[in-house]
Amino acid sequence: DTGVSQNPRHKITKRGQNVTFRCDPISEHNRLYWYRQTLGQGPEFLTYFQNEAQLEKSRLLSDRFSAERPKGSFSTLEIQRTEQGDSAMYLCASSLGTPGQLEQYFGPGTRLTVT
Amino acid sequence: AQSVSQHNHHVILSEAASLELGCNYSYGGTVNLFWYVQYPGQHLQLLLKYFSGDPLVKGIKGFEAEFIKSKFSFNLRKPSVQWSDTAEYFCAVNPDNYGQNFVFGPGTRLSVLP
Repeated sequence: DTGVSQNPRHKITKRGQNVTFRCDPISEHNRLYWYRQTLGQGPEFLTYFQNEAQLEKSRLLSDRFSAERPKGSFSTLEIQRTEQGDSAMYLCASSLGTPGQLEQYFGPGTRLTVT
Repeated sequence: AQSVSQHNHHVILSEAASLELGCNYSYGGTVNLFWYVQYPGQHLQLLLKYFSGDPLVKGIKGFEAEFIKSKFSFNLRKPSVQWSDTAEYFCAVNPDNYGQNFVFGPGTRLSVLP
């Protein structure tokens, strides 16, 4: 399968714990995005990388959230001191980003439940 | 506030009925437009996209969408739906001056009755 993959698919954690999610984009895509989706809503943009550089961050991304893409390939999203309000589906997407090729390809998501 | 709206939260149709799902956005200037579909238990998949040129774009599985700039709309259509079209449909807008940020609408759930 050459699509975007995410691990884990589900994560249950207790409030106050740290969690880390991984995203592996489509191999030739140099752009990688993180979104958050809650029930009944569309995905909300969190952050974006071009290669290893983090170029955009939403105001939704509080200082408890950090994302990295160390070698311009896979990316990790870490949430520190989780809160119940962090419970959501975290989606990763990737794209070529060239003119006419802006569409983003999404992974299956990581569902986070904070108890 | 700048946003993307989708007219219907839940649409219920019988097989062979025609479908039109509304999408409106409030960004001025140039926009890139997309419709994504999420089948039950699956990830978001691209249905179709509009960047420029012919405002009527065709996508996969018989779907099409029309960009009407004066109405800030990008409605999705299909002449005859099938039970397998049951899914959640999301409109997404990438304003040209927004970098790589996609703004998604809240989604419309489509239920097709056999």
